[in-house]
Amino acid sequence: QKEVEQNSGPLSVPEGAIASLNCTYSDRGSQSFFWYRQYSGKSPELIMFIYSNGDKEDGRFTAQLNKASQYVSLLIRDSQPSDSATYLCAFPGAGSYQLTFGKGTKLSVIP
Amino acid sequence: EAGVVQSPRYKIIEKKQPVAFWCNPISGHNTLYWYRQNLGQGPELLIRYENEEAVDDSQLPKDRFSAERLKGVDSTLKIQPAELGDSAVYLCASSTTSTGRRSPLHFGNGTRLTVT
Repeated sequence: QKEVEQNSGPLSVPEGAIASLNCTYSDRGSQSFFWYRQYSGKSPELIMFIYSNGDKEDGRFTAQLNKASQYVSLLIRDSQPSDSATYLCAFPGAGSYQLTFGKGTKLSVIP
Repeated sequence: EAGVVQSPRYKIIEKKQPVAFWCNPISGHNTLYWYRQNLGQGPELLIRYENEEAVDDSQLPKDRFSAERLKGVDSTLKIQPAELGDSAVYLCASSTTSTGRRSPLHFGNGTRLTVT
């Protein structure tokens, strides 16, 4: 059974700091990974996806994938109060056609 | 580009009553998903459609849940009869391919169901 593990938090960081969110997965065949942000009472919104080992940067966000260790992380630089949300990682898994989501990590950025 | 549209946004019903949710995916998206999200949890897939065909409904509680996607566009998810444990947010999502690869899911705003 495909599983995704995330620390549910809450994770609190001061404004301007780097927030680091981690996710481990069980399916070694997984080829792609997605990070979604979900504000309270809102639906998940895609913010990053990564397919290959290494880092992918998009503005203040960096996704890091390590397939050998089966973890993917999301770094948020210069954290802002508006980044306060729950961050969900997800992956389709080899041969699977729907995303499996983690429980999400709640991030609070303190002004 | 218009996003995924869901209605209603909120629904409160008594247990044993029926309820239906409606979803209009992004234009051109052939794949449609219904997810359920319980409080403090990630979304869990209920059913996936490729055009009008339900290709993965293994997680759909078929004794009380049903879904349809006539003409391969809009979709309706129904619960009859509803139980207290059905209280959750029901999310509809769509994508342009069936693999989930290089075609991220786009979610609607969801329907928050409360069963009393």
